[in-house]
Amino acid sequence: GAGVSQSPRYKVAKRGQDVALRCDPISGHVSLFWYQQALGQGPEFLTYFQNEAQLDKSGLPSDRFFAERPEGSVSTLKIQRTQQEDSAVYLCASSPQGPTSNTGELFFGEGSRLTVL
Amino acid sequence: RKEVEQDPGPFNVPEGATVAFNCTYSNSASQSFFWYRQDCRKEPKLLMSVYSSGNEDGRFTAQLNRASQYISLLIRDSKLSDSATYLCAVSPLSGNTGKLIFGQGTTLQVKP
Repeated sequence: GAGVSQSPRYKVAKRGQDVALRCDPISGHVSLFWYQQALGQGPEFLTYFQNEAQLDKSGLPSDRFFAERPEGSVSTLKIQRTQQEDSAVYLCASSPQGPTSNTGELFFGEGSRLTVL
Repeated sequence: RKEVEQDPGPFNVPEGATVAFNCTYSNSASQSFFWYRQDCRKEPKLLMSVYSSGNEDGRFTAQLNRASQYISLLIRDSKLSDSATYLCAVSPLSGNTGKLIFGQGTTLQVKP
């Protein structure tokens, strides 16, 4: 498809398990963002990549969260030793712009809904 | 205090009504402002950018008030299909990465 693709769409994990969430951005998009959206809240910024470089990870809530984009395309968000408070929708977004221009249009995937029991 | 704040609502209005939402931001250095729309269990999608001079797109009008640090969205002649959550988004710095800070969202329900 032409849009941002995320998998899995739904993930149920037991507390303490590790999970990996995948994002396949729109082809050619330079920028990639991960957001966390809790129920009834707006998306909260987690981290940003420009190509393969992770330029901002200020929103990652703890060192249990790790993201990578090794070849500047597909990205993976990994959460280690999941906790109940990690339950949320994890949204990936991509944008064709680099840091010198910003039209504000982020193209979001449908998200990965994580439930930690 | 959150960087971007919105009244979560819900706003319940009849079809044809005019409704307005405000969004306040705390960082006076913020450069770019946007409204996104999010349908239930769907991803956010850009509705419109907000320019200093204000801008209009059909039934939708967005305005920016830098002095008071808020942006607004006005929807005229509401349709049932306008029912959604409206997220305001702020880009904190010029020449930034494109990182956006979102508000909590305002829920709109348009009733027949």
